[in-house]
Amino acid sequence: DQQVKQNSPSLSVQEGRISILNCDYTNSMFDYFLWYKKYPAEGPTFLISISSIKDKNEDGRFTVFLNKSAKHLSLHIVPSQPGDSAVYFCAASDTGGFKTIFGAGTRLFVKA
Amino acid sequence: NAGVTQTPKFQVLKTGQSMTLQCAQDMNHNSMYWYRQDPGMGLRLIYYSASEGTTDKGEVPNGYNVSRLNKREFSLRLESAAPSQTSVYFCASSDKGEGETQYFGPGTRLLVL
Repeated sequence: DQQVKQNSPSLSVQEGRISILNCDYTNSMFDYFLWYKKYPAEGPTFLISISSIKDKNEDGRFTVFLNKSAKHLSLHIVPSQPGDSAVYFCAASDTGGFKTIFGAGTRLFVKA
Repeated sequence: NAGVTQTPKFQVLKTGQSMTLQCAQDMNHNSMYWYRQDPGMGLRLIYYSASEGTTDKGEVPNGYNVSRLNKREFSLRLESAAPSQTSVYFCASSDKGEGETQYFGPGTRLLVL
């Protein structure tokens, strides 16, 4: 049973447009959510996070939105750049726990 | 700072062989983790160490053992490798371990024949 789901295996976007990556979770005990970015042959790197007490967090071109009632979060990248082409993992954890749960990832292609 | 380092980068084993994957971090982090990444499965936690001297099972611990050698180093051992353990293994570390950002190594690609 996947507690964190990324239902889109891949997404293709034109350079300069908005990329929206979605993530759903089932465990209401999760209270901290993160997005990681991964290039081929490298380890994942942290991108942005959000606590459950917020509904939005912004960092430059990256914004994460959290809808707790729907158990849904999304990552917006505006404007998208070719260097954003990578696999994006959504992750969730609960306070006091060490077990972060990762989604299966979404591969983003940004076309020049 | 090197961050999180892993050795080896790539390894081929025969079924039944054993090996140890090494991981070290130079960020003075308390918590360390071992994950495996398989196609369509994301990253799954094998074992973690909340602090020096402690280790706990994650989501998929069967077939693995770990050792937190000191604060810097956390090793993962496969005693008798199986083809199902073919995967990419990532080590990570974090400061507090409670939803904090994790810093990942570059990964070890393991092929078990």
